[in-house]
Amino acid sequence: AQSVTQPDIHITVSEGASLELRCNYSYGATPYLFWYVQSPGQGLQLLLKYFSGDTLVQGIKGFEAEFKRSQSSFNLRKPSVHWSDAAEYFCAVGSGGYQKVTFGTGTKLQVIP
Amino acid sequence: DVKVTQSSRYLVKRTGEKVFLECVQDMDHENMFWYRQDPGLGLRLIYFSYDVKMKEKGDIPEGYSVSREKKERFSLILESASTNQTSMYLCASSTRYQETQYFGPGTRLLVL
Repeated sequence: AQSVTQPDIHITVSEGASLELRCNYSYGATPYLFWYVQSPGQGLQLLLKYFSGDTLVQGIKGFEAEFKRSQSSFNLRKPSVHWSDAAEYFCAVGSGGYQKVTFGTGTKLQVIP
Repeated sequence: DVKVTQSSRYLVKRTGEKVFLECVQDMDHENMFWYRQDPGLGLRLIYFSYDVKMKEKGDIPEGYSVSREKKERFSLILESASTNQTSMYLCASSTRYQETQYFGPGTRLLVL
């Protein structure tokens, strides 16, 4: 069965600092990988996704993620964090079609001035 | 823009009541999903539907049922609400190939 691990429950960074959120997945074939963001009181919004091709994926709001098959990882990065990035971030894995998408437990990001 | 709307943002019900949560999407998406979100547990799939009148159980279907009579509408039903169903409920939709799921704003349900 597919699974996703986000080892960091809560991360605090200073505004302007770089950010890396970790995601490890377990999946038997080539996965579809996603990062979603949830602002307080809102639903989830897609930041970026990887299906195939270039392993470095660019998303919205200046985020990027790198797929590393050898490490079963899909870490999310941003070079300079803004206060508005404070939110909860979810990594997810799926295979498309009729198969379900499995979400991680989320990482809550706090940004301090 | 894709829009997924949920009938209520906040709902308070009593134990034993029958509860209906409604979700509507306006992008003609084939797939629709119901999740519940709890602190520390992330999103857990309750049910999904890949076509009208079709449904598939997710990871935690016990205590819930669903209905999809029209393509744009997917309803979650709590037949007899219990306090352990107090949670945030999120609806989502996607195309058949699930490249992206689009989420509604969520319904925060409190069962007393």
